[in-house]
Amino acid sequence: GENVEQHPSTLSVQEGDSAVIKCTYSDSASNYFPWYKQELGKRPQLIIDIRSNVGEKKDQRIAVTLNKTAKHFSLHITETQPEDSAVYFCAARVNNNDMRFGAGTRLTVKP
Amino acid sequence: GAVVSQHPSWVICKSGTSVKIECRSLDFQATTMFWYRQFPKQSLMLMATSNEGSKATYEQGVEKDKFLINHASLTLSTLTVTSAHPEDSSFYICSARTNLAGFPRDEQFFGPGTRLTVL
Repeated sequence: GENVEQHPSTLSVQEGDSAVIKCTYSDSASNYFPWYKQELGKRPQLIIDIRSNVGEKKDQRIAVTLNKTAKHFSLHITETQPEDSAVYFCAARVNNNDMRFGAGTRLTVKP
Repeated sequence: GAVVSQHPSWVICKSGTSVKIECRSLDFQATTMFWYRQFPKQSLMLMATSNEGSKATYEQGVEKDKFLINHASLTLSTLTVTSAHPEDSSFYICSARTNLAGFPRDEQFFGPGTRLTVL
């Protein structure tokens, strides 16, 4: 089955700096890669996703890149703000099968 | 649109009792529902996948007789933790997908979670 690895486990940046979180996946048939933001005790919230036929997608301060050859994808947050502090999870899914999550990255944005 | 609710939001029970958690898709028909468990500071671990009207498919290591899942309608799935023990204490989150027109094909919509504490 699919195996997703995520790095780093914790990330601390100064407000205004950029943050990058990286994930790798094992199943080359995976074709959907969402990123979720989860605040303590709350549900994961989809912040951006990308499909395997696209190499990059951007939504304001958030962007995701996908390298299918290397089987890795990354989340980029620019101009970070304290409210970006949360745990971020990447995930990967093969067709209609289950979605597998990375271990999560705790992002702290220092004011 | 695409709202998923869970009930209860938190529950405390005695060891040996059973607890039922409900997951509802409020404004869409969920063709597939997923149940996840999340321990503190850890990731979401898939427990089982259920399609409406079919038996749930459990992940390896998840006891189907202990975690009973029922997906009797397109808007409701239930997870029953039978004979709960302290090690079952966790955050349980459901999510739903739909293949109906008008909704994102790939997206999973998550419920708010249920925090279970077994004494």
